[in-house]
Amino acid sequence: GAGVSQTPSNKVTEKGKYVELRCDPISGHTALYWYRQSLGQGPEFLIYFQGTGAADDSGLPNDRFFAVRPEGSVSTLKIQRTERGDSAVYLCASSFQAGNTIYFGEGSWLTVV
Amino acid sequence: AQRVTQPEKLLSVFKGAPVELKCNYSYSGSPELFWYVQYSRQRLQLLLRHISRESIKGFTADLNKGETSFHLKKPFAQEEDSAMYYCALSGGNQGGKLIFGQGTELSVKP
Repeated sequence: GAGVSQTPSNKVTEKGKYVELRCDPISGHTALYWYRQSLGQGPEFLIYFQGTGAADDSGLPNDRFFAVRPEGSVSTLKIQRTERGDSAVYLCASSFQAGNTIYFGEGSWLTVV
Repeated sequence: AQRVTQPEKLLSVFKGAPVELKCNYSYSGSPELFWYVQYSRQRLQLLLRHISRESIKGFTADLNKGETSFHLKKPFAQEEDSAMYYCALSGGNQGGKLIFGQGTELSVKP
């Protein structure tokens, strides 16, 4: 596609439920990043993939958060036992290689009620 | 610790006035600095990066290592510059991972 695509664009879920957020990066981009942006804050790094492997997952807040990129293209961010504090915009981004210009998607708005 | 600080949450100026959005950083090595912009209802996009030393849409930013600052400047603001601006840094050997500031909302009034 022309840009980084994220689905769903909006998700409302109940506390305790499981959520998956999908990211389709720009074709040919090997590096993929997940960020979280809470209201009034800048994006906060969660995890980055180089190819299929997670090169840096130091930003994942706890073990309820997990991300995969099995074929080195599409990635899924998985959140277990959601909490109200998980409500945020989850941004995905990709770059041709790590260190090149990073292009962002429009984000997935997650609301936990 | 790596940190980016944008002290102003909101900056309001009139059209044609000069603009300076402040950014200070804390990093022990030699970071690469960026400005990202988010226009209303659009995705976050790169405005400029310090290594390219170019002017985009009339904006410039100079890296001052002594003051650990990377302020964004434009001599004559336009209404279409109204947006959220985020300063970010990337450290060496970190795979391009970005650390963002909290953002400054720029409002340019007619």
